[in-house]
Amino acid sequence: DAGVTQSPTHLIKTRGQQVTLRCSPISGHKSVSWYQQVLGQGPQFIFQYYEKEERGRGNFPDRFSARQFPNYSSELNVNALLLGDSALYLCASSLRTDTQYFGPGTRLTVL
Amino acid sequence: GEDVEQSLFLSVREGDSSVINCTYTDSSSTYLYWYKQEPGAGLQLLTYIFSNMDMKQDQRLTVLLNKKDKHLSLRIADTQTGDSAIYFCAERENTGFQKLVFGTGTRLLVSP
Repeated sequence: DAGVTQSPTHLIKTRGQQVTLRCSPISGHKSVSWYQQVLGQGPQFIFQYYEKEERGRGNFPDRFSARQFPNYSSELNVNALLLGDSALYLCASSLRTDTQYFGPGTRLTVL
Repeated sequence: GEDVEQSLFLSVREGDSSVINCTYTDSSSTYLYWYKQEPGAGLQLLTYIFSNMDMKQDQRLTVLLNKKDKHLSLRIADTQTGDSAIYFCAERENTGFQKLVFGTGTRLLVSP
């Protein structure tokens, strides 16, 4: 079975632009969580979605938004990009809201 | 507050045992996890322990949990060069949703 997939792998944007990152969970998993990992640090929680509803949100500004689709895939949107948004964005899926399995991540560089 | 702490770096020789330590703050955490991250990759789940256990063994991996001191450790027996990576411990907070709080990671370097 395929694991968590994310696209794109790498992305380069300029300040002020908007970006959309995509995630497909493991087949049968209904929950998706998003994390931001800045270089040299551990991942920081951004959102959790379960059954297409937002269940939790971390300490991130409103420029960050997400949604989950009927097929349980998810998108993370970031508006008005700042240099500090440069990071590895990780998606994790879980069956319900239990053990989380991570995808390979999307590396975002903001110039 | 949420603060998971780990030592930054550990260097061992191939064949030795490695012990990576972690302290956490949320005494209500139900599960504690160990993830491995290789360069440029995502996080690979290694193992986890439920808070009512004090030890879990899984092949070369042994997890020890001291709830009184909020201390978690991961022992890797017979460490191999392929074990070189960053290891993260994470606690799962009981916030109504399942948020993981990660430490800063321990870089393990295994030399031949």
